[in-house]
Amino acid sequence: EIVLTQSPGTLSLSAGERATLSCRASQSVRNHLAWYQQKPGQAPRLLIYDASNRVAGIPARFSGSGSGTDFTLTISNLEPEDFAVYYCQQRTDWSWTFGQGTKVEI
Amino acid sequence: EVHLEQSGAAVKKPGESLKISCAGSGYHFPSTWIGWVRQMPGKGVEYMGIIYPADSDTKYSPSFQGQVTISADKSTNTAYLEWASLKASDSAIYYCVRRNYGYFENWGQGTLVTVSS
Repeated sequence: EIVLTQSPGTLSLSAGERATLSCRASQSVRNHLAWYQQKPGQAPRLLIYDASNRVAGIPARFSGSGSGTDFTLTISNLEPEDFAVYYCQQRTDWSWTFGQGTKVEI
Repeated sequence: EVHLEQSGAAVKKPGESLKISCAGSGYHFPSTWIGWVRQMPGKGVEYMGIIYPADSDTKYSPSFQGQVTISADKSTNTAYLEWASLKASDSAIYYCVRRNYGYFENWGQGTLVTVSS
């Protein structure tokens, strides 16, 4: 099973700053990686799929990059509503696994 | 608009059985994979398994194979997650998810399962 390791565990930033979140896979997942946002009391929401494609309605300040084993989610110009937990997820051979999450806090 | 409506919270005792549901609407339910994700209290999310309602082809995460049963009824557009014998460690929020783009685009509101003696 492919293991995803996210770093850092917690990111303390202020509104208006840039957030850079990392996700590393234990083996290549090509570009088959997604990012989700979860706010307290809510279900996760899909932001980015196939490493760099934004889902319709997701603001342009969210961007994804990477391929193979190393991926990055960048949130430029943090808005107050962006403070949440972010998970990466890979899909290979009809199997999906999630990273352990990165909390973006004020 | 796609919507996944899950059954309400459940409180059970260890050893009891449970079946929770997820009703899909706003899309062609039989031809779209639908899965389940677990979130234990204060923890991250874990993929459990997925089913194709049209033919009930089901795939489980190795961590959940043999622990739960996923099923679907395409005549009522409903997916199910079932336990034969609950343990305290099954206490969690369970989300149903609709696969799109190859990932989980739509999520239900979650069903809280509490297992306690």
